[in-house]
Amino acid sequence: EDQVTQSPEALRLQEGESSSLNCSYTVSGLRGLFWYRQDPGKGPEFLFTLYSAGEEKEKERLKATLTKKESFLHITAPKPEDSATYLCAVQRSGFQKLVFGTGTRLLVSP
Amino acid sequence: NAGVTQTPKFQVLKTGQSMTLQCAQDMNHNSMYWYRQDPGMGLRLIYYSASEGTTDKGEVPNGYNVSRLNKREFSLRLESAAPSQTSVYFCASSGQGTLYEQYFGPGTRLTVT
Repeated sequence: EDQVTQSPEALRLQEGESSSLNCSYTVSGLRGLFWYRQDPGKGPEFLFTLYSAGEEKEKERLKATLTKKESFLHITAPKPEDSATYLCAVQRSGFQKLVFGTGTRLLVSP
Repeated sequence: NAGVTQTPKFQVLKTGQSMTLQCAQDMNHNSMYWYRQDPGMGLRLIYYSASEGTTDKGEVPNGYNVSRLNKREFSLRLESAAPSQTSVYFCASSGQGTLYEQYFGPGTRLTVT
């Protein structure tokens, strides 16, 4: 069974304090690993797709990396507007369905 | 370009009542999905439609039915609502080929009393 585990459940940072969120996964044949951002009361917003180990993608202060067992979302010099829940999901090859983790709640204080 | 839209935004039902959640997308996507999100459980797939005319069960289909009305619209029906169906419901859509990213609507917050 495909599984996704995200850690930590919650993370509190000071503005400018860089850190990383972790997404560990088990899947039989990875087609893609997806990162989403979710603000309170809103739907998840797509951030990145990673397809193979060693791949990296960046967007503003966020960088996502992928190994064969886990993905990291690195947040460099975060700002309060980066506060949100970050969700990770995996897709198995040959399947359309995504399996989501329960997310990491990030709070960035000024 | 509105993306994925959902109606209603909020709904309160009594146990045993029925209702239909509506979803539409304007991105010309082939696939559409219904999820529910509960605290501590993450997003769980209820039903999906890989293309117009097809529907398949997801992880938690019991108590729900779906209809893919056309390429744009995918509805979720609760025939006899139960308190366990209190949740936030999200619709999503995705394209083909390498573009399997799913794009989500704003959600419907449903309370069943």
